[in-house]
Amino acid sequence: GNSVTQMEGPVTLSEEAFLTINCTYTATGYPSLFWYVQYPGEGLQLLLKATKADDKGSNKGFEATYRKETTSFHLEKGSVQVSDSAVYFCALSDLAGNQFYFGTGTSLTVIP
Amino acid sequence: ETGVTQTPRHLVMGMTNKKSLKCEQHLGHNAMYWYKQSAKKPLELMFVYNFKEQTENNSVPSRFSPECPNSSHLFLHLHTLQPEDSALYLCASSHHLYEREATEAFFGQGTRLTVV
Repeated sequence: GNSVTQMEGPVTLSEEAFLTINCTYTATGYPSLFWYVQYPGEGLQLLLKATKADDKGSNKGFEATYRKETTSFHLEKGSVQVSDSAVYFCALSDLAGNQFYFGTGTSLTVIP
Repeated sequence: ETGVTQTPRHLVMGMTNKKSLKCEQHLGHNAMYWYKQSAKKPLELMFVYNFKEQTENNSVPSRFSPECPNSSHLFLHLHTLQPEDSALYLCASSHHLYEREATEAFFGQGTRLTVV
C-alpha cells in the first residue's frame, strides 16, 4: 500500500538555523512527492514537488530531493526565519487510486 | 489564494441541526476531495469525487453526506453531528491523476466546525 512517514514534532529552532524534516514513503508504482505548508487557521499550500527519481523541488529557500533508493524526500532549508513557523506535511500522489497520501505533519517553531 | 474557496469559514452548530459546507473551484479540475483535520490526528481523507462520481468513501458515518453537482462544486451536508466531529474540514481539488501525473492538490482555507 501507500503511506508517508515523517518525523514527529514539534521542532523548535533559532532563527538562521538549519532545518531538516525527514520524510520516507512506501508506494506502489512511481508516485509524485510533495511538501505542503499550513499556517495557523489556513488550509494547506503547496511548498514544492518532485515528480521522478533524483528530481529536486525547491521554493522559498526550501529544497527536497526525490530519492528512490532510500524512498525518502527530506525537506531542508539552510537558514530558517520566524515566518517559516508552520506545520509541514509530506505527501505522495497515487495514480492508481487517484488519491493523495499525507504524513502526520511536523510543527516547526522558529524563535528570534 | 489557491483558487479553491470554502464557505463558511467558521460554523457552530447544535447536534440536532442540519447545515452544509460548500467548496468551489474554477481551476478546471476534475477531482475534488473532502478531508477532516482534527487536533493531534493525521489528515483524514473522507470522500473523493472524480468527474462528479464518488470514487472513495473512507468509512465515513452517514451523518456526513457529500454532493458533487458538477466538477466545480462540492458540498458536505451535515446532520445530527456529535461533538467529536468538531474539526477543520478541508476541501481540495486536482486534475485527475490519470490526466496529469504530476498534478498537486489545491486546498481551500477550510471550515472550522464546532458541534455543541
